[in-house]
Amino acid sequence: DQQVKQNSPSLSVQEGRISILNCDYTNSMFDYFLWYKKYPAEGPTFLISISSIKDKNEDGRFTVFLNKSAKHLSLHIVPSQPGDSAVYFCAATGGYQKVTFGIGTKLQVIP
Amino acid sequence: DARVTQTPRHKVTEMGQEVTMRCQPILGHNTVFWYRQTMMQGLELLAYFRNRAPLDDSGMPKDRFSAEMPDATLATLKIQPSEPRDSAVYFCASAPGTVNTEAFFGQGTRLTVV
Repeated sequence: DQQVKQNSPSLSVQEGRISILNCDYTNSMFDYFLWYKKYPAEGPTFLISISSIKDKNEDGRFTVFLNKSAKHLSLHIVPSQPGDSAVYFCAATGGYQKVTFGIGTKLQVIP
Repeated sequence: DARVTQTPRHKVTEMGQEVTMRCQPILGHNTVFWYRQTMMQGLELLAYFRNRAPLDDSGMPKDRFSAEMPDATLATLKIQPSEPRDSAVYFCASAPGTVNTEAFFGQGTRLTVV
């Protein structure tokens, strides 16, 4: 039972355009959400997070939006760069609960 | 340069053999996670520890997997006996232990069981 779902296994975007990665969750106890980026042969690295008390968090080119009523969050990358090509994992947690990850979305930014 | 260190990076073993993966968490981090990455399941949490005590190991097949923290600088994940379906990349991660903080991942151990 996937509590965190990333329904798009892959995404291709032209350099300079916006990349939008989506994530849905089912557990209403989740109140903190994270995005990780992973390059081949490396471990995931933290990218950006958002608490359920907010609906938007921005860090440079990366913005995460949270829609609690829809149990949906999205990561926007603007403008996309070739170095952003990686697998992006959405993750969620609530209080002291364990962090649950999605299966990832592979982003390819085409120069 | 604080980082999570995992050894070995790669392991090829025959079915039935014991496999031990080791992790050195970042100094001062008191929460340690073991994850397994597969194509179908993404990153699955196998077990995690806080202050060396196991908090949740419900993701692990109990009959063959075991996870321990002999001390604050070492976490181990053992598989005995190993099976081909255990082939995956195993990640260790550590976190400062407060609620809602990001975890720092090691580079992973790629395990192949033939």
